Amino acid sequence: KQEVTQIPAALSVPEGENLVLNCSFTDSAIYNLQWFRQDPGKGLTSLLLIQSSQREQTSGRLNASLDKSSGRSTLYIAASQPGDSATYLCLTSGSRLTFGEGTQLTVNP
Amino acid sequence: DTAVSQTPKYLVTQMGNDKSIKCEQNLGHDTMYWYKQDSKKFLKIMFSYNNKELIINETVPNRFSPKSPDKAHLNLHINSLELGDSAVYFCASSPLLAGAYNEQFFGPGTRLTVL
Repeated sequence: KQEVTQIPAALSVPEGENLVLNCSFTDSAIYNLQWFRQDPGKGLTSLLLIQSSQREQTSGRLNASLDKSSGRSTLYIAASQPGDSATYLCLTSGSRLTFGEGTQLTVNP
Repeated sequence: DTAVSQTPKYLVTQMGNDKSIKCEQNLGHDTMYWYKQDSKKFLKIMFSYNNKELIINETVPNRFSPKSPDKAHLNLHINSLELGDSAVYFCASSPLLAGAYNEQFFGPGTRLTVL
């Protein structure tokens, strides 16, 4: 059974800081891992998808890495802005589809 | 030009009623999903259909019955609603490439409240 853990559960940082969100998973037999953000009362917005053969993906200020052997993915956010405040979720796709519980990020002006 | 749409956005109903939530995607994807987000915001897969065929059916009460009339639509019918069914239900779609799930696109969600 796949278990996905996101630490920390909540994070508060001042504007401009670089930060890292973590996603750990127990079953390394995944096809890909996807990062989302969810704003309060809204749906999920896809940020980055990393295939199992890839090590990292970048989009603007976001960089996601994947290390299957250690069962870890990180989402790096550079120069954080108040608009980055949201809950960030990771989803592993293997024989099962499993979400982490999310990290609630607050970026303070 | 919404990619994945759901109706209704909000649904308030009494215990014991039967209700349906509709989902449509115009992305040309083969695979569609239903997820449930509970009060603690935890998201869990319920069902997945590929080209109208059920491929994932997690441990969900049989009061929940998905129906896929075509590959662009996946509806969720819930019988005999219970208080514990109150949640936000999300529909999603993705292409299915080389037998693997790919990037998923989510609808805006349907907030179901059972009184």
